Amino acid sequence: RKEVEQDPGPFNVPEGATVAFNCTYSNSASQSFFWYRQDCRKEPKLLMSVYSSGNEDGRFTAQLNRASQYISLLIRDSKLSDSATYLCVVTSGGSYIPTFGRGTSLIVHP
Amino acid sequence: EADIYQTPRYLVIGTGKKITLECSQTMGHDKMYWYQQDPGMELHLIHYSYGVNSTEKGDLSSESTVSRIRTEHFPLTLESARPSHTSQYLCATREGGLSYNEQFFGPGTRLTVL
Repeated sequence: RKEVEQDPGPFNVPEGATVAFNCTYSNSASQSFFWYRQDCRKEPKLLMSVYSSGNEDGRFTAQLNRASQYISLLIRDSKLSDSATYLCVVTSGGSYIPTFGRGTSLIVHP
Repeated sequence: EADIYQTPRYLVIGTGKKITLECSQTMGHDKMYWYQQDPGMELHLIHYSYGVNSTEKGDLSSESTVSRIRTEHFPLTLESARPSHTSQYLCATREGGLSYNEQFFGPGTRLTVL
């Protein structure tokens, strides 16, 4: 079983749709959680960190469920520019080695 | 905004050649990483460093070596390139001390070995 698992998609949605991604992790000692965005043939960039209380940044909302060991990313009012791969990243306490999921591909069409 | 530089950005080279991929950063971060990523696939950690004179191998077995003589530089060397090394190589840094610090990535080197 992979340490961090994501549905690879692709998720094909129309503009304006709301889309949600889930990510599960296997290490119960995990402490830090992130969502990165990676455009085609580009480097990953931090989208948002995920806090225990959940956090929101504009149209993006991230949630953490420690009991079930998953994190989620909700994108509201999807834009064409949201088309990208979204990577779930988890770091265990005391480790400086983040574990990356394979990523979920999102395609927003007109 | 992170300042991480990778050179060359693109490289096409023949089998058997020795190559060095450069990575430099101006942020003074002590943690540095090399990842390999094929198109549409996940990132694989190949080497990392906790600081000067510290290097470790990652999960992906690779015929490559790294060095960390200065904080700013973390070059990756392939002694004898093979077609199986064709991939994108991403360098990343992270400020040390706290696991919730984000990683910053360089623009990558796209390597093709003929």
